[in-house]
Amino acid sequence: EVQLVESGGGLVQPGGSLRLSCVASGFTFTDHAMNWVRQAPGKGLEWVSTINSASTGTYYADPVKGRFAISRDNSRKTLYLQMTGLRVEDTAVYYCAKDRGTSTFYFDHWGQGALVTVSS
Amino acid sequence: DIQMTQSPSSVSASIGDTINITCRASQATSNWLAWYQGKPGKAPRLLIYAASTLQIGVPSRFSGSGSGTDFTLTISSLQPEDCATYYCQKANGLPTFGGGTKVEIK
Repeated sequence: EVQLVESGGGLVQPGGSLRLSCVASGFTFTDHAMNWVRQAPGKGLEWVSTINSASTGTYYADPVKGRFAISRDNSRKTLYLQMTGLRVEDTAVYYCAKDRGTSTFYFDHWGQGALVTVSS
Repeated sequence: DIQMTQSPSSVSASIGDTINITCRASQATSNWLAWYQGKPGKAPRLLIYAASTLQIGVPSRFSGSGSGTDFTLTISSLQPEDCATYYCQKANGLPTFGGGTKVEIK
């Protein structure tokens, strides 16, 4: 059974930093691109970032470019999202999502999410 | 950037009804289109990918159609557990989600 478990969320002041982690199990981690998708309170889904299986390609949505960094440790089957320069508008539940393949951008399994609250 | 526009933003229907949700892309996306189901407090669920391919484990009352710029998600014989918000998402180039369609049961 595929499982994705996020951690690292919490309350942070504007301008602060936070690192999210997502531990994967139940599939061959190195065969799949991985992603972060967020959902602000009362809003829809917003793609944040993608990393390919070998970490040779990373992609970011414009609102987070230059502030967030996605990475992965294939030996630990763990995906990360380093968030810096956080803004109030970054407040959201952050989901880790598995790609169906190497880079299809179809997200076939999701974690339960980690809540990030940016507030003073 | 390609924008994804869903309609309607909400729909109310009775158990057993058939409903259609449409998604329009501002530029052609071939068939690189997915549909997801979202429920409060739960992880989103992939329903359809490649515009019309049913994800494993998804009931056959869900179906997708379309290509290019216009796509449709059809839910036949609506069930109580289908009460949710549905999102389309383009998958060619960087992903973009539609704004969502909330489905309620009358």
